[in-house]
Amino acid sequence: QQPVQSPQAVILREGEDAVINCSSSKALYSVHWYRQKHGEAPVFLMILLKGGEQKGHEKISASFNEKKQQSSLYLTASQLSYSGTYFCGTEIPVLYNQGGKLIFGQGTELSVKP
Amino acid sequence: DAGVIQSPRHEVTEMGQEVTLRCKPISGHDYLFWYRQTMMRGLELLIYFNNNVPIDDSGMPEDRFSAKMPNASFSTLKIQPSEPRDSAVYFCASSQQGGGNQPQHFGDGTRLSIL
Repeated sequence: QQPVQSPQAVILREGEDAVINCSSSKALYSVHWYRQKHGEAPVFLMILLKGGEQKGHEKISASFNEKKQQSSLYLTASQLSYSGTYFCGTEIPVLYNQGGKLIFGQGTELSVKP
Repeated sequence: DAGVIQSPRHEVTEMGQEVTLRCKPISGHDYLFWYRQTMMRGLELLIYFNNNVPIDDSGMPEDRFSAKMPNASFSTLKIQPSEPRDSAVYFCASSQQGGGNQPQHFGDGTRLSIL
C-alpha cells in the first residue's frame, strides 16, 4: 500500500529544476506533499485532490494524475533552502464517514548545492 | 498560534522500562495521529483518533504499545516494556479533518533511545 517515490535521492545546483514522482498501486483520493529537514518535523507543502488539480507553493508545484495513480512534485529554480527529504502521503479510506489515513512514501532526499 | 506540542523531546531509558510520550494537539483539531520514524521503515502511522476515539490502530506494532486520548487536548503513547528496537523518533500530528482534505501539522517529535 505504501506509495513509491522516485528518485530516492537527487543532487542539484542552485537554480536547477527537479521532479519527484509518487506512484500508488491503489486508487488515489488525495495526495499530500511534505518536506522534512534533518532533525526536524515534516512540514506540509500542499494537498492535491481528485481531478488532476495542480497546486503551487512559491516555486514548488505539483500535479495529480488520478488515472495513472501518481503525483509529481516540481521544484523550479531550486534554492539552498529546498534541501531536505520530500514525502508524499496518499489517502487510504478507513471507515464510512470517518476521515481516512495517510500512508507515506519512503522519501526523496534532495540536496541543493551552491 | 501554538503548534502541536510533544514531550519529552528526548528520552533515553533502559530496556524493560515503561515509556510514556505525550502530545497536545492544536486547539480545534479533531484528528490526532501518532507516527514512528526510523531509517529502515520510514514514517509509519501507528494509530489515529477522531474526537478522542481511536479509529485505526492497525499500525500499532505489538501489545506493548498503547495509546489513549482522554480529552481533546491530550494524548499519550505508552510502551511497556520497552525494547531496543523501539528506538525511533515518534511524531504526533493533528488536523482539522481526517483523510486528505486538510494538512497534518506535526509536533517536533520525541527522540527515543532504548538501551
